[in-house]
Amino acid sequence: EPEVTQTPSHQVTQMGQEVILRCVPISNHLYFYWYRQILGQKVEFLVSFYNNEISEKSEIFDDQFSVERPDGSNFTLKIRSTKLEDSAMYFCASSETRGYEKLFFGSGTQLSVL
Amino acid sequence: SQQGEEDPQALSIQEGENATMNCSYKTSINNLQWYRQNSGRGLVHLILIRSNEREKHSGRLRVTLDTSKKSSSLLITASRAADTASYFCATDASGNTPLVFGKGTRLSVIA
Repeated sequence: EPEVTQTPSHQVTQMGQEVILRCVPISNHLYFYWYRQILGQKVEFLVSFYNNEISEKSEIFDDQFSVERPDGSNFTLKIRSTKLEDSAMYFCASSETRGYEKLFFGSGTQLSVL
Repeated sequence: SQQGEEDPQALSIQEGENATMNCSYKTSINNLQWYRQNSGRGLVHLILIRSNEREKHSGRLRVTLDTSKKSSSLLITASRAADTASYFCATDASGNTPLVFGKGTRLSVIA
């Protein structure tokens, strides 16, 4: 079965550094998402992306965050200047149809900001 | 906020027993979905039930939706040790609003 792949699986960074989290969505999917989950907490929506632009974003997704689809396969999340509170598991997801139905999630990138 | 809230927070049962998890939400929804998350892994879509549906089945899973009570339940019959995971409900108010997840129910199935 096709799957969403994310790299790296773990990322450790110093506060203030930039990080880029990478994702390869399922090839025929058109809608892409980033969610995050702080350890033991709820899964929080960050941003959705379609047709090379952001569709929706949450309050968490401030000016420090950006997303990009640099080519036909990759989807990236950049955090420009990481903060301690950015430490979380970041999940990329994709879906075939609009409407946030049946999202396929990657295994996540565990980001630790020291 | 339309966020779903699962109940109970944790559930421990013996293999072969049925597991029931509940989800309550606050606003009108377009659909409600259930996802499973194994420890340290991504979420896996289990089942989607639309606002005009009352019950849906998929294998050992049975989902009900009561829009008047703004609640849903997920029943896993004849549970197996491999069902051990966290289960999340997720709702969206319309087709264009982000999927909002609850805090999940941690299910432990003891062999």
